[in-house]
Amino acid sequence: EPEVTQTPSHQVTQMGQEVILRCVPISNHLYFYWYRQILGQKVEFLVSFYNNEISEKSEIFDDQFSVERPDGSNFTLKIRSTKLEDSAMYFCASIGVASYEQYFGPGTRLTVT
Amino acid sequence: RKEVEQDPGPFNVPEGATVAFNCTYSNSASQSFFWYRQDCRKEPKLLMSVYSSGNEDGRFTAQLNRASQYISLLIRDSKLSDSATYLCVVGNAGNNRKLIWGLGTSLAVNP
Repeated sequence: EPEVTQTPSHQVTQMGQEVILRCVPISNHLYFYWYRQILGQKVEFLVSFYNNEISEKSEIFDDQFSVERPDGSNFTLKIRSTKLEDSAMYFCASIGVASYEQYFGPGTRLTVT
Repeated sequence: RKEVEQDPGPFNVPEGATVAFNCTYSNSASQSFFWYRQDCRKEPKLLMSVYSSGNEDGRFTAQLNRASQYISLLIRDSKLSDSATYLCVVGNAGNNRKLIWGLGTSLAVNP
């Protein structure tokens, strides 16, 4: 069964450093998303991406964040200068053409020290 | 009013019990409805989509009441493995197919 994959599973970084979180969505999906979940809190929408551009972003997704789909398979989230409060699980998700059902990757746990 | 609202629980039930979760949503234009399950420190996994006519998948039954903007999930004969957080999720109209997430309801099934 096709699945969304994410790497790395855990990333530890120092405050102020740049991180890139990587995702490979399901191959025939067209809509891509990043979410984050701070421990013990709800899943928060960050950004949606369709047709090679951002279709919507939340207030959390400020200038420090960017997304790219560089090669038709990977979908990346970059945080330019990490803050302590960026520590969270980051989930990538994707949707196929005729559905609203989102399928999630296993997540990357980001720890900013 | 929150966009998607759920009772956070926790619900503690014995094995074999029937448990019901409720959810309300604020946007009457919402078009798609789901229940996801999330285990501790894992990704959310789609449990079932919710259709206007109601739908059942084994021990799980989901119902939607558009007039009241209310979604429910019923779990019958609960198992230890059902212990998780159950997330009510609503998809709004629009090209980005954005989902709005509830906070989740925590369920612990006890032996």
